[in-house]
Amino acid sequence: DSGVTQTPKHLITATGQRVTLRCSPRSGDLSVYWYQQSLDQGLQFLIHYYNGEERAKGNILERFSAQQFPDLHSELNLSSLELGDSALYFCASSVELARETQYFGPGTRLLVL
Amino acid sequence: TQLLEQSPQFLSIQEGENLTVYCNSSSVFSSLQWYRQEPGEGPVLLVTVVTGGEVKKLKRLTFQFGDARKDSSLHITAAQTGDTGLYLCAGASRDSNYQLIWGAGTKLIIKP
Repeated sequence: DSGVTQTPKHLITATGQRVTLRCSPRSGDLSVYWYQQSLDQGLQFLIHYYNGEERAKGNILERFSAQQFPDLHSELNLSSLELGDSALYFCASSVELARETQYFGPGTRLLVL
Repeated sequence: TQLLEQSPQFLSIQEGENLTVYCNSSSVFSSLQWYRQEPGEGPVLLVTVVTGGEVKKLKRLTFQFGDARKDSSLHITAAQTGDTGLYLCAGASRDSNYQLIWGAGTKLIIKP
């Protein structure tokens, strides 16, 4: 158990819909990262938040957005969903810096029908 | 654009054999991490290397960071079925503003 929690574990929705994925980092970790992993693919970095502020953006679509709240939990919002958005979405946290060890949550498996 | 290339992309071998996975880049990294991911789970850190030429051992796994800090390798001796998984390397550098750059991974299957 990494100490990072993600909800929900599974999500099935239809094209055009909007969903919110939630992540609680390890106690004491200030940084949260979101990743997308399609079937049999590597990790695609989406976005990094540090202590409530956006620190870095990766290959995140404009239809996707994220935020980190004062209690340090984070939400990833995916809107106007397309079939190709079906993937595993991982949240990771680290104490402060991206180059430190990142602890990953169990992921949310999203299926868009 | 910084890239970390992993090879091979896929490897299927018999239990007891040895193998090496490579992680290469044209960029210099201040640190490089190796993660292992099992199906349906998040990646878990195996090791971090920071010094050029550094060698770290974790039981049957040996990790090496290249002298120029542009490449790394993971060698597994006498592979076991429990070694099956996706192996990912990730590096941080000043050029990436110390964000991790991820390799695409090596999918390893160890057959009994």
